[in-house]
Amino acid sequence: GIQVEQSPPDLILQEGANSTLRCNFSDSVNNLQWFHQNPWGQLINLFYIPSGTKQNGRLSATTVATERYSLLYISSSQTTDSGVYFCAVELPTDSWGKLQFGAGTQVVVTP
Amino acid sequence: DAGVTQSPTHLIKTRGQHVTLRCSPISGHKSVSWYQQVLGQGPQFIFQYYEKEERGRGNFPDRFSARQFPNYSSELNVNALLLGDSALYLCASSSGGWETQYFGPGTRLLVL
Repeated sequence: GIQVEQSPPDLILQEGANSTLRCNFSDSVNNLQWFHQNPWGQLINLFYIPSGTKQNGRLSATTVATERYSLLYISSSQTTDSGVYFCAVELPTDSWGKLQFGAGTQVVVTP
Repeated sequence: DAGVTQSPTHLIKTRGQHVTLRCSPISGHKSVSWYQQVLGQGPQFIFQYYEKEERGRGNFPDRFSARQFPNYSSELNVNALLLGDSALYLCASSSGGWETQYFGPGTRLLVL
């Protein structure tokens, strides 16, 4: 099956710092989503980004489908950015919406 | 509009018991998916239902079953609970399954 690898596994940032999270996937995908899981377990949609670049406030994401990776940028980090960031992909054979998640990047933003 | 809702929020069961988890999708969404998230891992796909039909099943034993009702809400049932079933169970909804999926707050199940 497809491998979805996220790096780094853990990240500690000081408030105000910038960071880049990476998601590599081993096969062609139909879709890719980035999620933020808060400390209470809620998964929050950040981006639906099968290709290209999107920005939403201090967050932006880029997916290069031909090279099988996606990047999530966090700028001017805040303590509320703490949590686990997941990327999830959908294979062409599962185009009805089965998501396969990576193991996540645990982010801690300190004041 | 309300988001995806799940009930109960927390549940404690003992080995061998049966559990039913419930999910109500976002209004207008016809697809519901279930995921299991064990501590420290990413969510794992269990089932997807669309228009009351099972459209996909993950690599889970037959002890896991689900159904979708005419109002598009869904139940996940787990029989003969094992300690390893302890996890956060997440429900996601979307219009047709293949677009952006929106997750509920989850049900935390502890099996003792």
